[in-house]
Amino acid sequence: KAGVTQTPRYLIKTRGQQVTLSCSPISGHRSVSWYQQTPGQGLQFLFEYFSETQRNKGNFPGRFSGRQFSNSRSEMNVSTLELGDSALYLCASSYPTQPKETQYFGPGTRLLVL
Amino acid sequence: DAKTTQPNSMESNEEEPVHLPCNHSTISGTDYIHWYRQLPSQGPEYVIHGLTSNVNNRMASLAIAEDRKSSTLILHRATLRDAAVYYCILSRETSGSRLTFGEGTQLTVNP
Repeated sequence: KAGVTQTPRYLIKTRGQQVTLSCSPISGHRSVSWYQQTPGQGLQFLFEYFSETQRNKGNFPGRFSGRQFSNSRSEMNVSTLELGDSALYLCASSYPTQPKETQYFGPGTRLLVL
Repeated sequence: DAKTTQPNSMESNEEEPVHLPCNHSTISGTDYIHWYRQLPSQGPEYVIHGLTSNVNNRMASLAIAEDRKSSTLILHRATLRDAAVYYCILSRETSGSRLTFGEGTQLTVNP
């Protein structure tokens, strides 16, 4: 079974631009979560989508948004990029959606904002 | 989510057992204890989870204290590939699939 895939793997943007990151979950998984990892703040939860609906949201500004498609693939968007948005963005998928179930993480998208 | 406390770093020698501790004194009855690890330049990887009883799988063992206020991840024979940051995480049904990561324990394995 293929793992979680994320595209692109690396991205360089400039302040003020917007960016869209993509995540394809493991086949059959219906929940997709997004995390931001930075050296200063560690791994922080952004949001979770299940059946095209946002089920959970972390403490991030509205510039961070996401969506999920009917095939469970998910995208996250960051508008008006700031230098502090430079980070590794990770997505994780799971099925079913109970917390005791394993979360499978992708390799991440490394975003650099200049 | 209830908080966990782990040592910042630990060292081990190759082929020796490693015991990684985690304190979670405010754990509630419905909190599951999860362990994930993150190898360099990779996303986190599931290791093991449990609720009340000790658990074993091909990667590790999880020993849970009787009062559930602490747990220990046991790697029976550490290899160089086990060098990673290990995260102890509590999760409850009401938090959905959300995982709240702490700082974790950086495990160094010496050859």
